[in-house]
Amino acid sequence: DADVTQTPRNRITKTGKRIMLECSQTKGHDRMYWYRQDPGLGLQLIYYSFDVKDINKGEISDGYSVSRQAQAKFSLSLESAIPNQTALYFCATSDATLGGGTQYFGPGTRLTVL
Amino acid sequence: GENVEQHPSTLSVQEGDSAVIKCTYSDSASNYFPWYKQELGKGPQLIIDIRSNVGEKKDQRIAVTLNKTAKHFSLHITETQPEDSAVYFCAASLIQGAQKLVFGQGTRLTINP
Repeated sequence: DADVTQTPRNRITKTGKRIMLECSQTKGHDRMYWYRQDPGLGLQLIYYSFDVKDINKGEISDGYSVSRQAQAKFSLSLESAIPNQTALYFCATSDATLGGGTQYFGPGTRLTVL
Repeated sequence: GENVEQHPSTLSVQEGDSAVIKCTYSDSASNYFPWYKQELGKGPQLIIDIRSNVGEKKDQRIAVTLNKTAKHFSLHITETQPEDSAVYFCAASLIQGAQKLVFGQGTRLTINP
């Protein structure tokens, strides 16, 4: 079974709709991250969370919000989707106690906003 | 903030030859440099990483070198095989604190049989 899962894997929606992407992990890690991937731009950090009471903005948080419902669950929401939010979205986890900074990624969600 | 530049954006090599991908970073405080491999339809997977107190690290056919003075690090893949074909990303971060990874733009590596 995958350690980091994302749902849905693919989503097509229309401009103005509210969308939620979900991430769950069984690794027991305390830290969780949301990244966006666009062709030729690598991955950019949207939000990150150190625990359920700690949420931090990343480089490109405008237009997005997150919720850390439990240590194992971290959701990303687009309140009113727009076409330039069409991208691949990845969730990642890491364990601060390991001290290494290694992040483990989920399989991604491909989001298309028409 | 940190900025990571990665070159080349595409790389094609013959099977059995070596491949080298280079990255430069801007923040001299960064001390952790991972490399990720992304296959089609999958999330990035860590293949090797290096910390700033080490100049080189090897793991079978892959190696990473780090030049802190010049602020650049490189991925070396020897004896390339078809399964090495993928997109490779370098990244930089601080091990302490938020551990926010800043990624390079990616290199699409193609191994020709």
